[in-house]
Amino acid sequence: SYVLTQAPSVSVAPGGAATFTCGGDNIEAQSVHWYQQRPGQAPLLVIFYDRGRPSGIPDRFSGSKSGNTATLTISRVEAGDEAAYYCQVWDDTSDHVVFGGGTQLTVL
Amino acid sequence: QLQLQESGPGLLKPSETLSLNCTVPLDSVKYYCAWVRQTPGKGLEWIGGIFYSGTTFYNPSLKSRVSMSVDTSKTHFSLRLKSVTAADTAVYYCARHLIVGGRLSWFDPWGQGTLVTVSS
Repeated sequence: SYVLTQAPSVSVAPGGAATFTCGGDNIEAQSVHWYQQRPGQAPLLVIFYDRGRPSGIPDRFSGSKSGNTATLTISRVEAGDEAAYYCQVWDDTSDHVVFGGGTQLTVL
Repeated sequence: QLQLQESGPGLLKPSETLSLNCTVPLDSVKYYCAWVRQTPGKGLEWIGGIFYSGTTFYNPSLKSRVSMSVDTSKTHFSLRLKSVTAADTAVYYCARHLIVGGRLSWFDPWGQGTLVTVSS
């Protein structure tokens, strides 16, 4: 089955940039979506279709994809960005949703 | 803002059947409701989803124990998970699974989630 691989944790100082990677076989052929989950809250969509940004999500959040890796970048990180970030695809070959294991962002 | 609401018992004994409902707004026709769970301190696990017409997709790891349904009003989506164990203790979320270009895509919005604990 399709697997998405994320690093367990990322740390960044306020004002810096946080980069989250999501690795998957031939991920170029997939549409990747990203969620933010703050402690005690439900996940929140922050990026859809690799780089689309929902209404209300700051332009500090951006997405990209290259080769076997999709990337979520948060620029000018704030304390409120501290959360877990998950990538997700719909795998057409198996008709399944696949989530990455999530990356915990710590704002130093 | 679209709101989803999960409801159901918060405490079950091993071997019982978990039953949860997700209520969606009346005007949400052609809705695809997905269920996702999160065990304490862990990541997200897709359970499956059901279209308002009744078409379902299930996670193969849970397929033998899962069933989903939608009522005739198309506003209540149900999840049933039979023969639960402590490993099924989790926060259960329902979420709208968007269909874009004929393809299932992202989840938005999510319900607030409901904690289900399995304990004897």
